[in-house]
Amino acid sequence: DAKTTQPTSMDCAEGRAANLPCNHSTISGNEYVYWYRQIHSQGPQYIIHGLKNNETNEMASLIITEDRKSSTLILPHATLRDTAVYYCIVRVPFSGGYNKLIFGAGTRLAVHP
Amino acid sequence: AAGVIQSPRHLIKEKRETATLKCYPIPRHDTVYWYQQGPGQDPQFLISFYEKMQSDKGSIPDRFSAQQFSDYHSELNMSSLELGDSALYFCASSPPGQSNEKLFFGSGTQLSVL
Repeated sequence: DAKTTQPTSMDCAEGRAANLPCNHSTISGNEYVYWYRQIHSQGPQYIIHGLKNNETNEMASLIITEDRKSSTLILPHATLRDTAVYYCIVRVPFSGGYNKLIFGAGTRLAVHP
Repeated sequence: AAGVIQSPRHLIKEKRETATLKCYPIPRHDTVYWYQQGPGQDPQFLISFYEKMQSDKGSIPDRFSAQQFSDYHSELNMSSLELGDSALYFCASSPPGQSNEKLFFGSGTQLSVL
């Protein structure tokens, strides 16, 4: 699985957009980009994933560059409850029980009033 | 909607004791994953089961064992507990079929070894 690089920490004002970058310059053609987050001591929570097209759901948007070497997770209107560690994970999805996630060092996002 | 259920939520054990953690996946999910998260650490993959068979293995100590039962629930058995085993243990499940499906995590079991 490709290695990812994320900022150690970021701040964001409540109500503003939070843009979390992730570099994955060694990504291969069949690897997807996944974002999970972990609110303090809770189980990680799926946010969004994509292969090469930009994706949007009710939680966030995922922007993947054309060369796929980096991506940005966008929380359009951050709230205090979005304070969490955000993990960018790149992997080839498999079926049959080989879908584990490998968590690297994520970004600690602090949303302040 | 039903979520992944883990029990107990908290567990306190002494060194050299044994512990059993339980995980009940979301109904119709056929794969279970176990993770260990030490204080200030990122979650580390331990082991996974697919259709009641071990499918993948990570950094699980030999003192630990796990299995998935016919009703798809899973148990993580930990023996000869050490102080360093104190951690949050998460279970996750995923559904059959789509290979890029996401993992759903439980709330975890906080194990404290004294």
